[in-house]
Amino acid sequence: NAGVMQNPRHLVRRRGQEARLRCSPMKGHSHVYWYRQLPEEGLKFMVYLQKENIIDESGMPKERFSAEFPKEGPSILRIQQVVRGDSAAYFCASSEDRSTYEQYFGPGTRLTVT
Amino acid sequence: SQQGEEDPQALSIQEGENATMNCSYKTSINNLQWYRQNSGRGLVHLILIRSNEREKHSGRLRVTLDTSKKSSSLLITASRAADTASYFCATRASGTYKYIFGTGTRLKVLA
Repeated sequence: NAGVMQNPRHLVRRRGQEARLRCSPMKGHSHVYWYRQLPEEGLKFMVYLQKENIIDESGMPKERFSAEFPKEGPSILRIQQVVRGDSAAYFCASSEDRSTYEQYFGPGTRLTVT
Repeated sequence: SQQGEEDPQALSIQEGENATMNCSYKTSINNLQWYRQNSGRGLVHLILIRSNEREKHSGRLRVTLDTSKKSSSLLITASRAADTASYFCATRASGTYKYIFGTGTRLKVLA
């Protein structure tokens, strides 16, 4: 019974490069949420997706960030032209359906921008 | 204060003692959850309490919710060194999907 999987666990990018973070939800889960955690802070909501739909992206920066959850395959959080301020831990969570409040979190991807 | 703000920010206790953490929030909520995060790791869901519940237990954990005061508390009884972690509350405001996390309480249990 695999939990939420995220890869890579650690990602180092130079300023200006692209970062792609992947999240595979738990089996049977069709709702995915992305959160960002800066050092010594709590998690901040970024985006909520269902398969092939973005439901709520109110926490996403307007530029350089995008997310998708295709019919097949993992959810992808994409950051273009990374800057040092993007360095953070990015967590993905999944839930079974909208009425199931419990979200299961993955181990996170730690992005370091040099 | 921010939605889902915990206090204290840091707590250090001896093994065997009880630890109490508090969470305050601003808006009406559907439910409130508590999570644990070990250093450098992902989040572990501890307990969920719905807005119509006042108290909930799970093993050594006891959570209370006071919607009139917009606050919740997490009590860990008979703490162990393995309880050392950061603890976060997360709230989902009525009519929204997103959870708002507090800044966390860093608990250190000394053996």
